[in-house]
Amino acid sequence: DSGVTQTPKHLITATGQRVTLRCSPRSGDLSVYWYQQSLDQGLQFLIQYYNGEERAKGNILERFSAQQFPDLHSELNLSSLELGDSALYFCASRGQGFTEAFFGQGTRLTVV
Amino acid sequence: DQQVKQNSPSLSVQEGRISILNCDYTNSMFDYFLWYKKYPAEGPTFLISISSIKDKNEDGRFTVFLNKSAKHLSLHIVPSQPGDSAVYFCAAAPLGANSKLTFGKGITLSVRP
Repeated sequence: DSGVTQTPKHLITATGQRVTLRCSPRSGDLSVYWYQQSLDQGLQFLIQYYNGEERAKGNILERFSAQQFPDLHSELNLSSLELGDSALYFCASRGQGFTEAFFGQGTRLTVV
Repeated sequence: DQQVKQNSPSLSVQEGRISILNCDYTNSMFDYFLWYKKYPAEGPTFLISISSIKDKNEDGRFTVFLNKSAKHLSLHIVPSQPGDSAVYFCAAAPLGANSKLTFGKGITLSVRP
């Protein structure tokens, strides 16, 4: 158990809809990262938050947004969903002094 | 632009033999490097890391080698076990607290009994 919790584990929704993925980082970790894993694409970095503020942005679509709340949990919002958004979405957290990030189990999103 | 490249998508080795997984990077600002292991339906789990000031780091059956001049690192698993069968991701990050990790596409390792 990495200590990072993601909900829900599975999500099936229709094109055009909006969904919210939730991540609770390890206790005390201030950094939260979101990654997308599509078929054969590895782990694509989407966005990073540190203590409530956006720290770095990757290839995140404009239809996607994220935030980190005062209690440090984070949410990834995906809107106007398309079939190609079907993927595994991972959240990771990292603490001060750690080189490694710890991943949650992921949310499998299926857009039909 | 893929800054971290794992050019071989898969590797198959016999149980007990050595597994060598390779990774190349292009960004000179990367300061440390990590390997993650991922089983199906699970999140990636951290395996081993190495700082750019070292050229080798060992942890049990796992050793990571770094060749900075060639911008190349490799993960050696000796001896390989069937339970090692998984997808292995190489990742890299620049210096700085809480910098982002950039991942390669992963290598699927199959260890045959």
